[in-house]
Amino acid sequence: AQSVSQHNHHVILSEAASLELGCNYSYGGTVNLFWYVQYPGQHLQLLLKYFSGDPLVKGIKGFEAEFIKSKFSFNLRKPSVQWSDTAEYFCAVTGSNTGKLIFGQGTTLQVKP
Amino acid sequence: DTGVSQDPRHKITKRGQNVTFRCDPISEHNRLYWYRQTLGQGPEFLTYFQNEAQLEKSRLLSDRFSAERPKGSFSTLEIQRTEQGDSAMYLCASSSSNVGGLETQYFGPGTRLLVL
Repeated sequence: AQSVSQHNHHVILSEAASLELGCNYSYGGTVNLFWYVQYPGQHLQLLLKYFSGDPLVKGIKGFEAEFIKSKFSFNLRKPSVQWSDTAEYFCAVTGSNTGKLIFGQGTTLQVKP
Repeated sequence: DTGVSQDPRHKITKRGQNVTFRCDPISEHNRLYWYRQTLGQGPEFLTYFQNEAQLEKSRLLSDRFSAERPKGSFSTLEIQRTEQGDSAMYLCASSSSNVGGLETQYFGPGTRLLVL
């Protein structure tokens, strides 16, 4: 079955700490991978995406993610978080023959000032 | 680019009533998606359109749900005989598909439905 698993449901960090959010997927065939973010009171926004090529992709606001095909993973990282990064983060996957996104259940990140 | 818009933003209804939501995609986007999100979960796919054709529906989508995109622009999602379990955030997204299936979906603010 196609699925996305986000290991951390709720993460609390202090400002300037490093962040890594785990994402593993189960999906047959070629995959396209995404991280979306939802800031409090706002709608889902694209943080970064991977289609092909360099497995290390950079997104907005200093975020990056690494696609490791052998581990079916697409973990999100940021070297130094800020209070404004407090949000809910969703990993999602889709295939080459459908645009349907399959989302993980999300990780709530709380950054303490 | 005014973004994806959804109307209404909030809807409270009584069990058994019908409700209809509207989504206006980003202009020129040929694909339009509907998702449902409940508290503590990620969005769950419901259905999607390419232009006016409905290409895929989730098996989880009960026959009380119907969606249309009559002119390939805006879309409506109707829920008939609402149940308390239908309470959720209904999200719309749009994208521009191309060869190879490389597309990025842009989401609207959602319609929050509460069924009493």
